[in-house]
Amino acid sequence: QQPVQSPQAVILREGEDAVINCSSSKALYSVHWYRQKHGEAPVFLMILLKGGEQKGHDKISASFNEKKQQSSLYLTASQLSYSGTYFCGTDGGSNYKLTFGKGTLLTVNP
Amino acid sequence: GAVVSQHPSRVICKSGTSVKIECRSLDFQATTMFWYRQFPKKSLMLMATSNEGSKATYEQGVEKDKFLINHASLTLSTLTVTSAHPEDSSFYICSARDPGQTFFGQGTRLTVV
Repeated sequence: QQPVQSPQAVILREGEDAVINCSSSKALYSVHWYRQKHGEAPVFLMILLKGGEQKGHDKISASFNEKKQQSSLYLTASQLSYSGTYFCGTDGGSNYKLTFGKGTLLTVNP
Repeated sequence: GAVVSQHPSRVICKSGTSVKIECRSLDFQATTMFWYRQFPKKSLMLMATSNEGSKATYEQGVEKDKFLINHASLTLSTLTVTSAHPEDSSFYICSARDPGQTFFGQGTRLTVV
């Protein structure tokens, strides 16, 4: 089943923060976050594994609450380069197959 | 890091012809690769799972005879869109998973005229 992402779209000014949520109705083994620019393939951001971990690099971090089957992606002090569509991909443990949410369109304006 | 290479990046073909798209894992072996399709401003929809040395597993609603998948080696999977029609025009993306991380190819923009 497709995970649900929220919000569908968000507009920020450079330097502002944003949170993108991803929730699933089924048990998850891992959650993968990607950013896709228009006309390009998705670019891997990070993976969170079962165990309720939190990860981050630079000003982008994420958490995974396996009990709630939810993950959140945190973007702090956003930069223009953060603009794009963010997808979460969920893995139920079945042969590495990822199911993607509908995406969150993030626009960062100067 | 691990890289997945997809070719071609763009292709325009006439209606009724077939198009082959290649997906290669460059520095790791991938017994399983995945093929996705993405319409403009939409999510990636899994079409099929490509299994090395065996038949592909197709998602519900995906025509096996229309989208032929061959995974002849541990580093190469191909998707052939047979008898293409304008409604097959889309962005096709492959992926392969190195333990712990899924890598995507660059994608192929298919336009059927």
